[in-house]
Amino acid sequence: KAGVTQTPRYLIKTRGQQVTLSCSPISGHRSVSWYQQTPGQGLQFLFEYFSETQRNKGNFPGRFSGRQFSNSRSEMNVSTLELGDSALYLCASSFEDRDEQYFGPGTRLTVT
Amino acid sequence: KNEVEQSPQNLTAQEGEFITINCSYSVGISALHWLQQHPGGGIVSLFMLSSGKKKHGRLIATINIQEKHSSLHITASHPRDSAVYICAVRLNNNDMRFGAGTRLTVKP
Repeated sequence: KAGVTQTPRYLIKTRGQQVTLSCSPISGHRSVSWYQQTPGQGLQFLFEYFSETQRNKGNFPGRFSGRQFSNSRSEMNVSTLELGDSALYLCASSFEDRDEQYFGPGTRLTVT
Repeated sequence: KNEVEQSPQNLTAQEGEFITINCSYSVGISALHWLQQHPGGGIVSLFMLSSGKKKHGRLIATINIQEKHSSLHITASHPRDSAVYICAVRLNNNDMRFGAGTRLTVKP
């Protein structure tokens, strides 16, 4: 079974731009969660989707949004990028929303 | 105060030593996760616990719900165990909170 895939793996953007990151979960998994990891704040929960519905959202500004498609693939979008958005963005999938999670390799975003 | 506290922050051990990493939390949880992160960023879920004890190979994880405390033990440590170990808790409202991580270095 293929693991969780994330694209792109690396991304460089300029302040003020927007970015879309993609996550393909393990086949059959219906829950996708997104996390941000920075050296200063560590890992922080962004949001969780289950069967196309956002179940939960972390404490992030409205510039961070996401969605899940009917095939469980998920995208997250960050608009009006700030330098502080530079981070490793990880997604994780699970069969149900409270099951063990399987993490993707992450997308490393650098904002200049 | 962070809702999830890990100790120690850094740990250096000699190959073969028994290692313990601790995690304390201050909120109501539905489950606790132990994660392993290698250089380069990849995260692997080691355990998900809601009670008692789990064992997988040389790794053992325990949780005491009443004391809001969990431990991760590594027996017969090996240099390939060198990684950052992260404790994460799933709150009753389904949010996730993470500890700051414990950086483990096992020397041959």
